[in-house]
Amino acid sequence: DAMVIQNPRYQVTQFGKPVTLSCSQTLNHNVMYWYQQKSSQAPKLLFHYYDKDFNNEADTPDNFQSRRPNTSFCFLDIRSPGLGDAAMYLCATSRDPGKTQYFGPGTRLLVL
Amino acid sequence: AQSVTQPDIHITVSEGASLELRCNYSYGATPYLFWYVQSPGQGLQLLLKYFSGDTLVQGIKGFEAEFKRSQSSFNLRKPSVHWSDAAEYFCAVGATSGTYKYIFGTGTRLKVLA
Repeated sequence: DAMVIQNPRYQVTQFGKPVTLSCSQTLNHNVMYWYQQKSSQAPKLLFHYYDKDFNNEADTPDNFQSRRPNTSFCFLDIRSPGLGDAAMYLCATSRDPGKTQYFGPGTRLLVL
Repeated sequence: AQSVTQPDIHITVSEGASLELRCNYSYGATPYLFWYVQSPGQGLQLLLKYFSGDTLVQGIKGFEAEFKRSQSSFNLRKPSVHWSDAAEYFCAVGATSGTYKYIFGTGTRLKVLA
């Protein structure tokens, strides 16, 4: 089945230690998104790629970076995680901007 | 600016009872409208979507939603709730031009009593 896959499902890191979260998709969609979701809150868009074009949200901290080496994969890099970065990180894809977004299962990040 | 309001933070219903979750939006034109469900520790699953056409939209798991332009609403309904429907429900508005971003509501947490 075509799908959005996120690895790992759970990630524990130390304060200030860089961490990378992975997302892959078999839908061949043009757009890939990264959201941050804290407990009992709505998902918050961090950035998205439309093909190779990177689009950063204005309020996304510089601590968060992303890479999309090819259509199928997208990575979220957190350069120096702080305690406030502990959250669920959701990857989503859509065929084109504005079209239906399909979400992966998420990666829960814990910062010690 | 776009906005989405889900007035009910928590809703509790008995199993077998009917359900309606409210969603109101603010947008300059007819937006794309979505309902997603999220079980604890999971990602978001698409229940249904509205782009245009018939204002009553059928989704998965027995859910439906009705787009009412005059009320700027897109309420989610289910005639008979099952215990497995307990989850968080998010309404989202998608811009049809410009940034094409989703705006999510704050979510409604559904509890189902046996």
